[in-house]
Amino acid sequence: GQNIDQPTEMTATEGAIVQINCTYQTSGFNGLFWYQQHAGEAPTFLSYNVLDGLEEKGRFSSFLSRSKGYSYLLLKELQMKDSASYLCAVMDSNYQLIWGAGTKLIIKP
Amino acid sequence: IAGITQAPTSQILAAGRRMTLRCTQDMRHNAMYWYRQDLGLGLRLIHYSNTAGTTGKGEVPDGYSVSRANTDDFPLTLASAVPSQTSVYFCASSWDDTDTQYFGPGTRLTVL
Repeated sequence: GQNIDQPTEMTATEGAIVQINCTYQTSGFNGLFWYQQHAGEAPTFLSYNVLDGLEEKGRFSSFLSRSKGYSYLLLKELQMKDSASYLCAVMDSNYQLIWGAGTKLIIKP
Repeated sequence: IAGITQAPTSQILAAGRRMTLRCTQDMRHNAMYWYRQDLGLGLRLIHYSNTAGTTGKGEVPDGYSVSRANTDDFPLTLASAVPSQTSVYFCASSWDDTDTQYFGPGTRLTVL
């Protein structure tokens, strides 16, 4: 079966750095996506990785290792508005997105 | 309109009733999707359409139907609602089936 694993919840301090991990086992691989979802709102696109390595976009970076079936999202200089759920999704061989259950990130002052 | 809109925002429905959730996008995206999101679970694909006139089944299609008469609209119909269909429903679209998906604001549906 296909499976995406990520921690259920994480807590971090304002101004700090946090790394959210995602491991996957899927039928094929056509890219990995990270989305942010604030409570009661729609998911919004953060990043896309299809090749191994680090993609940096402002305070957010995403890393991929295809051989290990592993990705992480790195958030720097945390702000209170970063409190949200972070969703990892893998595009499988049929070009369908397989979603993790999401990691709820709580930021404390 | 800018992006994707969904209607209604929320709905309480009696079991056995028929309900259509509406989704409209103005980005001229070819592909559209319907997901449901339940607490503790990842988004699950219900149905999708890669282009106007075609539809396909996702992971959890039973009890739902869709149509894609034109590029902009992708309604989701529950023929006879059951309590297990209580969920938040998101519509999404992308340029094609390999591209980034963008989501509508969602419909919160409660079936009693």
